Amino acid sequence: QVQLVQSGAEVKKPGASVKVSCKSSGYTFTDYYMHWVRQAPGQGLEWMGWINPNRGATNYAPKFQGRVTMTRDTSISTAYMELSRLTSDDTALYYCARDPPGGITALDYWGQGTLVTVSS
Amino acid sequence: EIVLTQSPGTLSLSPGERATLSCRASESVSRNYLAWYQQKPGQAPRLLIYGASSRATGIPDRFSGSGSGTEFTLTISKLEPEDFAVYYCQQYGSSSWTFGQGTKVEVK
Repeated sequence: QVQLVQSGAEVKKPGASVKVSCKSSGYTFTDYYMHWVRQAPGQGLEWMGWINPNRGATNYAPKFQGRVTMTRDTSISTAYMELSRLTSDDTALYYCARDPPGGITALDYWGQGTLVTVSS
Repeated sequence: EIVLTQSPGTLSLSPGERATLSCRASESVSRNYLAWYQQKPGQAPRLLIYGASSRATGIPDRFSGSGSGTEFTLTISKLEPEDFAVYYCQQYGSSSWTFGQGTKVEVK
């Protein structure tokens, strides 16, 4: 069965960087774009961008351009999201989610989320 | 960037009632690339509807989506106890994805 398993919770200081991983299983990793979406406490969903695991191409939301880097390691079917220059506004639950091929443009499987807390 | 505005913010209904949720886009959503998700407390979102009106795998037929252009609707024909949750719409356009702010469906 399809599973996206994310790395554990992180606590970071302002100005630091965080790197979250998302390990995929149960499907062909390179066939599905991987997106990252975050959710601040008690707030809605915010799209951060995607990576094409096949070619490594990325597309980032304008808000995160210059601060986010999405990468992947196809040998272990894992996607990564690194966010730099953290502030308290980046405290949120970060999700990876896959986007099926064929132009559905929706996210059909989600990871369990990784809580990132930014605090001095 | 297309902005999605959902209404109402909160919908108070009883089990068995019909729920109608609205999602309005600031400009036309191309090819009806509009999806709906359900999120329960402590859980990741679950895909309900894609392409404005296609149900995702395993989604009961009491959930239906409709609309085009800038106006979209999610309808739950008869609320079950497990349907009380927050619902988000999401669109894709011009290489950017956005979500609405959500509608909470709560027990009246």
